[in-house]
Amino acid sequence: DTAVSQTPKYLVTQMGNDKSIKCEQNLGHDTMYWYKQDSKKFLKIMFSYNNKELIINETVPNRFSPKSPDKAHLNLHINSLELGDSAVYFCASSQEVFSYEQYFGPGTRLTVT
Amino acid sequence: AQSVTQLDSQVPVFEEAPVELRCNYSSSVSVYLFWYVQYPNQGLQLLLKYLSGSTLVKGINGFEAEFNKSQTSFHLRKPSVHISDTAEYFCAVSEPNAGNMLTFGGGTRLMVKP
Repeated sequence: DTAVSQTPKYLVTQMGNDKSIKCEQNLGHDTMYWYKQDSKKFLKIMFSYNNKELIINETVPNRFSPKSPDKAHLNLHINSLELGDSAVYFCASSQEVFSYEQYFGPGTRLTVT
Repeated sequence: AQSVTQLDSQVPVFEEAPVELRCNYSSSVSVYLFWYVQYPNQGLQLLLKYLSGSTLVKGINGFEAEFNKSQTSFHLRKPSVHISDTAEYFCAVSEPNAGNMLTFGGGTRLMVKP
């Protein structure tokens, strides 16, 4: 009964490939997020999304795109992977846009070779 | 735009000693403040949050933090740490009407030694 789950846990791929990371939450939350954590543990918000609005961190390259098939899922698609994309990606969710308490998934470690 | 600074990248401390992890923020508007903990190979877990009201906030696992508006600080404290508190601690800030997006500090690794 994991609250926020991500698949896969580990992803190793080559430069130039396109990959996706899936995220699912069973908390009934309205808003979901993607974060990137680099090798120095620095965490950066990438996207915030609910059924009404997508907010994108302007520093995120357009090779990254979130896709939400339904309220419980927010997948992350990455095109033309680069070495600098190697990081741990965390999905999170919150009940309402203004609840301010986010629940995080276990993370997906992406390694681009 | 807001930013968060955690002054100490690592804090070594002996078991049962008190600890304070420092966090300072900058913002042009009122903010909401959070501390998250990340245990090895796990996701982040909310320790505590300040939205409004009392400036002293108590969280899980015996942690507390105090919001100081004049010093723009939100330091995390615990009077007596355990080995199990060894983890990475992140301070975060969110501004109203910012889509609930959190801005994190660089993290502080708390290392509790026996």
